[in-house]
Amino acid sequence: DAGITQSPRHKVTETGTPVTLRCHQTENHRYMYWYRQDPGHGLRLIHYSYGVKDTDKGEVSDGYSVSRSKTEDFLLTLESATSSQTSVYFCAISEHRGVVREQYFGPGTRLTVT
Amino acid sequence: KQEVTQIPAALSVPEGENLVLNCSFTDSAIYNLQWFRQDPGKGLTSLLLIQSSQREQTSGRLNASLDKSSGRSTLYIAASQPGDSATYLCAVTTQGGSEKLVFGKGTKLTVNP
Repeated sequence: DAGITQSPRHKVTETGTPVTLRCHQTENHRYMYWYRQDPGHGLRLIHYSYGVKDTDKGEVSDGYSVSRSKTEDFLLTLESATSSQTSVYFCAISEHRGVVREQYFGPGTRLTVT
Repeated sequence: KQEVTQIPAALSVPEGENLVLNCSFTDSAIYNLQWFRQDPGKGLTSLLLIQSSQREQTSGRLNASLDKSSGRSTLYIAASQPGDSATYLCAVTTQGGSEKLVFGKGTKLTVNP
């Protein structure tokens, strides 16, 4: 499972409240990613990180921020949650396999914004 | 903008049948292509990764092919079993280095005993 954990696994929050999701990995991978999965849209990249303090935006980054102060932790923050951010959030890492890197995913966090 | 399409969206087959899942992408300038399996309420499990320079990869009963010039990949499952029931996702890497994935919406497979 590439040593990826996500917390919390489930969360219900109210519109307008801040929410932080945590992704933790134990194998010192450099690259980490946050995706969201929605019916009809599939998985879409929110943000990714290529090292401590090095992050960049993905396809659907509006309303989200990230931080990576340690190699093992990648945090996703919703500054003011909206109902449109109700989704399942997946964290991933990429691991070298020869000349390419293969992505492995965490178990997901189901977030409901009421 | 890269777009990935998977056809069919759902497929139901009897146990033991050989089957093919299709994936197409609009920009042939991919770095690699990855097939995943997702069980209901679970995360993604990587099945096969094909580098852009490769034509196919095999793992057990699974065989994935890649035709980069035509923008297509297929996942062949031999002798299907009820335990193969899941959603299968195809994803391509659009840029070397960051390995950002662009996903299709998946094919939901049901294998009936």
